[in-house]
Amino acid sequence: KQEVTQIPAALSVPEGENLVLNCSFTDSAIYNLQWFRQDPGKGLTSLLLIQSSQREQTSGRLNASLDKSSGRSTLYIAASQPGDSATYLCAVQETSGSRLTFGEGTQLTVNP
Amino acid sequence: NAGVMQNPRHLVRRRGQEARLRCSPVKGHSHVYWYRQLPEEGLKFMVYLQKENIIDESGMPKERFSAEFPKEGPSILRIQQVVRGDSAAYFCASSPTTFRSGNTIYFGEGSWLTVV
Repeated sequence: KQEVTQIPAALSVPEGENLVLNCSFTDSAIYNLQWFRQDPGKGLTSLLLIQSSQREQTSGRLNASLDKSSGRSTLYIAASQPGDSATYLCAVQETSGSRLTFGEGTQLTVNP
Repeated sequence: NAGVMQNPRHLVRRRGQEARLRCSPVKGHSHVYWYRQLPEEGLKFMVYLQKENIIDESGMPKERFSAEFPKEGPSILRIQQVVRGDSAAYFCASSPTTFRSGNTIYFGEGSWLTVV
């Protein structure tokens, strides 16, 4: 059974800091891995999708890496801003079209 | 959130009543997923449906919960005889007909069920 763990559970940083969120998964036979953002009382917004054959994806100030063999992914946020404050969720998909298995998220607070 | 519409956004039910949550996927998407987020917990998969078919319901409680995605109309998640432990946010997601490499999955903004 796939299990996804995110560390840390919560993180508070001053504005402008670069930061790394960690995600690990127990079964390396995945199809893809996604990072999502969730704002309080809202749904999920997909940030980055990494296919199993890829090592990283970048979008603006965000960079996600994937090391499938070790079961790890990191989300790097450069020059953090207060607007980045949200919960960040990591999820893996084991086969095409199948369910996503989510971690419990990292709650990020960026202080002005 | 790319067009996945859920309603109601907030629903209050007394114990023993029924809750019906509706989800209209992104236009053209025929795959629908329901997830539940309990307070202070992560999202847990409940059920995966295609038009008129349940593909995977392994995450759905065996009793009181049912889901459908008819040929016409939205997907419905139905909870009968609700209990306080059903209080949660219920998220619907959809994906294109063929979940190809690079296709992402789109989430609605959730339906918050409170059982009093």
